[in-house]
Parts: sequence; structure tokens; C-alpha cells
Amino acid sequence: EAQVTQNPRYLITVTGKKLTVTCSQNMNHEYMSWYRQDPGLGLRQIYYSMNVEVTDKGDVPEGYKVSRKEKRNFPLILESPSPNQTSLYFCASTQGGTGLNSPLHFGNGTRLTVT
Amino acid sequence: AQSVTQLGSHVSVSEGALVLLRCNYSSSVPPYLFWYVQYPNQGLQLLLKYTTGATLVKGINGFEAEFKKSETSFHLTKPSAHMSDAAEYFCAVSAGYSTLTFGKGTMLLVSP
Repeated sequence: EAQVTQNPRYLITVTGKKLTVTCSQNMNHEYMSWYRQDPGLGLRQIYYSMNVEVTDKGDVPEGYKVSRKEKRNFPLILESPSPNQTSLYFCASTQGGTGLNSPLHFGNGTRLTVT
Repeated sequence: AQSVTQLGSHVSVSEGALVLLRCNYSSSVPPYLFWYVQYPNQGLQLLLKYTTGATLVKGINGFEAEFKKSETSFHLTKPSAHMSDAAEYFCAVSAGYSTLTFGKGTMLLVSP
């Protein structure tokens, strides 16, 4: 089954403790992206990757890191999480850029709480 | 630059009534436009998209949207609401190959 898999689904952590949220897709998509969803703010892009070894900042990159060493994986790293990073995170992928015909495929989300 | 404005954070309709969710966009180049739906505890799913060609676009579950360039709008409609349509709906615009900008979302509430 074609899918984007995120792990974990739920994560509670403390301020300053490094964490990684994994994202993997099995559709051979070139483009991958991370979004955060907050009430009343919709989805905001954190980082995206057009292809392996190519990453770029989105609208809200501060406090986050990503890497794209393989085509299928795009982990999101919070090296020193803070409470304002408490949010619902989505990974998404598509073939080519978002301006092309194919839509974004989303994972089921990771709900992160930082205390 | 590109942006999306969705009018109304919540829309309430009765089952069987017309659904109208409003979306206006801003883009410096011809846009691609999308509507996504999010059910509770799930990711987003594509409802429909406009890229080029016919301005009236039909999607899944009986939804459709019309691209109106002169009004910079892409409103989502469904003739008759069903209880299963209750969800959050997001309009999104892409004016390039690298970013998809989402609106803040509209929660659709359907009452019996």
C-alpha cells in the first residue's frame, strides 16, 4: 500500500531533550515536506526537500533540522525542544514539486507535547 | 508570494443543505489550487485540484469547486450535505514548484 509513515504518533518530552520524528514514504517520491498544524493557524511549512541531499527552509524553520540522505526518508530533528514547539506535525510527499499535477500524500501526524 | 484566505473558521449546515466553503487566493503567477479534507485524528486527503483547463473541477464525495480568476476565488461546494462530510477543509495554493501554502481551515459542522 502506498503510504507515508510517521513515527511516533504521540510524543511527550521535556524542554531541551533532543528528539527525532521519522518519516518514510514508499512511493519513490522526490519531494518531501514537513508541516506543523496549530489551531487557528492552519498548516505551516517547516522544511522541504526537492530531492536527495537538497533541503530548504519553509515558513517556520527556527528550532528544527532535517536531513535527506535517502530518497524515502526525511526525519525531523528538534535538538532542543521548547514548549512553543508543542504541535501536530505532518510529513508529506509528492512526485516532483507541489506545482505539478500530483497532490501531496500526508502521513497520519505526530502529536508532540513539550513540557 | 502566495497566500490563501478562507472565510469562516466554522460553517454549520443541516443535513441535505448546500455546502459552500469560501477560498480566496493571492498569487503573482498562475496558480495551482487544491482543496484537502481532514477527518479527526487523520492526515489530509485531496478532495480536488485545479491546474489548467476546465475551471469547474469535480472531486470526490460529490464536491466541486470553480476557479474564478477575475475574483481570485476557488470556492468549494456540495449540493447536499451528509453527516459524513463533517470535517476540517483546507484550501491551498501553489505558485511554484517548491511550496504549497494552506489556508487556516474551515470546520464544517453538519446537523441532523
